[in-house]
Amino acid sequence: EPEVTQTPSHQVTQMGQEVILRCVPISNHLYFYWYRQILGQKVEFLVSFYNNEISEKSEIFDDQFSVERPDGSNFTLKIRSTKLEDSAMYFCASSDWQGATREDYGYTFGSGTRLTVV
Amino acid sequence: DAKTTQPNSMESNEEEPVHLPCNHSTISGTDYIHWYRQLPSQGPEYVIHGLTSNVNNRMASLAIAEDRKSSTLILHRATLRDAAVYYCILNAGGTSYGKLTFGQGTILTVHP
Repeated sequence: EPEVTQTPSHQVTQMGQEVILRCVPISNHLYFYWYRQILGQKVEFLVSFYNNEISEKSEIFDDQFSVERPDGSNFTLKIRSTKLEDSAMYFCASSDWQGATREDYGYTFGSGTRLTVV
Repeated sequence: DAKTTQPNSMESNEEEPVHLPCNHSTISGTDYIHWYRQLPSQGPEYVIHGLTSNVNNRMASLAIAEDRKSSTLILHRATLRDAAVYYCILNAGGTSYGKLTFGQGTILTVHP
């Protein structure tokens, strides 16, 4: 079964450093997402991405965050200057949701990257 | 975002059916009902989704009330591997670009 692949599985970084979390979505999917989950808390939406631009972003996704699809397969989340409160599991997801047709599809999530900011 | 209400926790015995309820009284006509589960230390996993009709797949069944204000996820024979947090989520479909809003979900415990 197709998978969403995330690397690395665990990243430790010093406060103030930049990190890039990487994801390979399912190849024929069109929509890509990042979510995060702070330990013991709910899964929170960060951003959705379609047609090489951000479709929607949450309040969490401030100027310190950016996303990119640098090539035909990777989807990245960059945090420019990490803070202690950025420590969380970050999940990438993809979907072949087709908006205009009003159809709906399930979403496939990756296993996550555990980011620890020290 | 339309809201869902689920019990905080439920328990089941192995090999017995499990019915996980979800209330969504403010659902709109275009909202799809999604169910995901999250096993410990893993990402959410898609289980099933539907709009109006009941749905079956290899993992589960989804029973949707006629007025769509509630739904039930049915695991036909629970196994220990089904122990997880189950999330019922409304997806606004056409205009939401697929953002999912997770609640606290239902913690399912399966006893051997």
